[in-house]
Amino acid sequence: DAKTTQPPSMDCAEGRAANLPCNHSTISGNEYVYWYRQIHSQGPQYIIHGLKNNETNEMASLIITEDRKSSTLILPHATLRDTAVYYCIVRGVGAQKLVFGQGTRLTINP
Amino acid sequence: DAGITQSPRYKITETGRQVTLMCHQTWSHSYMFWYRQDLGHGLRLIYYSAAADITDKGEVPDGYVVSRSKTENFPLTLESATRSQTSVYFCASSARSWGGTGELFFGEGSRLTVL
Repeated sequence: DAKTTQPPSMDCAEGRAANLPCNHSTISGNEYVYWYRQIHSQGPQYIIHGLKNNETNEMASLIITEDRKSSTLILPHATLRDTAVYYCIVRGVGAQKLVFGQGTRLTINP
Repeated sequence: DAGITQSPRYKITETGRQVTLMCHQTWSHSYMFWYRQDLGHGLRLIYYSAAADITDKGEVPDGYVVSRSKTENFPLTLESATRSQTSVYFCASSARSWGGTGELFFGEGSRLTVL
């Protein structure tokens, strides 16, 4: 699976959009981009995933660049409860496991 | 209740003792995983299983043993616990592992302290 690079930490004001970047320059054509988050000491929680097209669900939007070498997770109206560590993961078709990196610690400030 | 549950949630043991962490899921998911999480290392995969009686090593398997005799259960055993195995252990399950549908569902974690 391709490695990912994320900033170790970010801050965002409550109510604003939080944009979390992820670089995955070695991604191959059949690899998906997944985002998970971990709030405090809870188990990680799935947020969203995508292959080529931008995706949106009730939690977030995922923007993948045309060359697929990077992506951005967008939390449109961040709340204090969105404070968490966010993990960007690349996982190939047929891959049986999900390998986590260090993630980005996002702090939402009042 | 449906979901994935881990037990015990908290465990203190001594060096050299055998410890088993239990994981149970009610979705009949094919895939199950064990991760450990330590400060400064994030989540690291210990073992995973694609189905009953099929297991494979992850990134950090040394010192651990797993079994999967039933689809719903995936116990993790530390045969002779060491202080370096003090960690938070997360179990996860997935219906499928590929094709963009491989969402993992995590348990609440088991916090193990080895004295």
